[in-house]
Amino acid sequence: GENVEQHPSTLSVQEGDSAVIKCTYSDSASNYFPWYKQELGKRPQLIIDIRSNVGEKKDQRIAVTLNKTAKHFSLHITETQPEDSAVYFCAASKGSGNTPLVFGKGTRLSVIA
Amino acid sequence: ETGVTQTPRHLVMGMTNKKSLKCEQHLGHNAMYWYKQSAKKPLELMFVYSLEERVENNSVPSRFSPECPNSSHLFLHLHTLQPEDSALYLCASSQDPRASSSYNEQFFGPGTRLTVL
Repeated sequence: GENVEQHPSTLSVQEGDSAVIKCTYSDSASNYFPWYKQELGKRPQLIIDIRSNVGEKKDQRIAVTLNKTAKHFSLHITETQPEDSAVYFCAASKGSGNTPLVFGKGTRLSVIA
Repeated sequence: ETGVTQTPRHLVMGMTNKKSLKCEQHLGHNAMYWYKQSAKKPLELMFVYSLEERVENNSVPSRFSPECPNSSHLFLHLHTLQPEDSALYLCASSQDPRASSSYNEQFFGPGTRLTVL
């Protein structure tokens, strides 16, 4: 089955700097890669996702890149703000049949003002 | 509250108690999930129901028993739990990709914080 590795487990950046979180997956058939943000005491919420037919997607300060050959994808947050502090989870899925999302173990991002 | 709701939000129980967690989704989805979230395993999938049939059971101990009476409701029945079962239990829902062409974006509920004494 699918296995998703996520690094780093913790990340501290100064406000205004960029943050990068990386994930690798094992199943070459996976074709859907979402990123979830979980603020302290709240539920995980989808912030951005990418399908395997594109290599990059951007939404304001957040971008995700996908390298299908190397089977890895990354989340990039630019101009970080204190409200970006949260745990971020990557996930992978085949997006078809009844295979659910497989999540990474999460990255705790702290943005220091 | 719209979207995915869970009750109770907090639960304290003894090891001999029987309790149930409830999840309800108002999104018209047809797949529902139970996750356990703890410090050791941040998002551990427990059960998946799709079109009201259980499609995945990730080697979860029998002291956890799911029930899905319809596509909007999901229960997790608990009995003779252990202290290590203390965690945040998250419910989620999505569209079953078999029933649509969309990818299975999952929407999470707020969770039930369970403490087993």
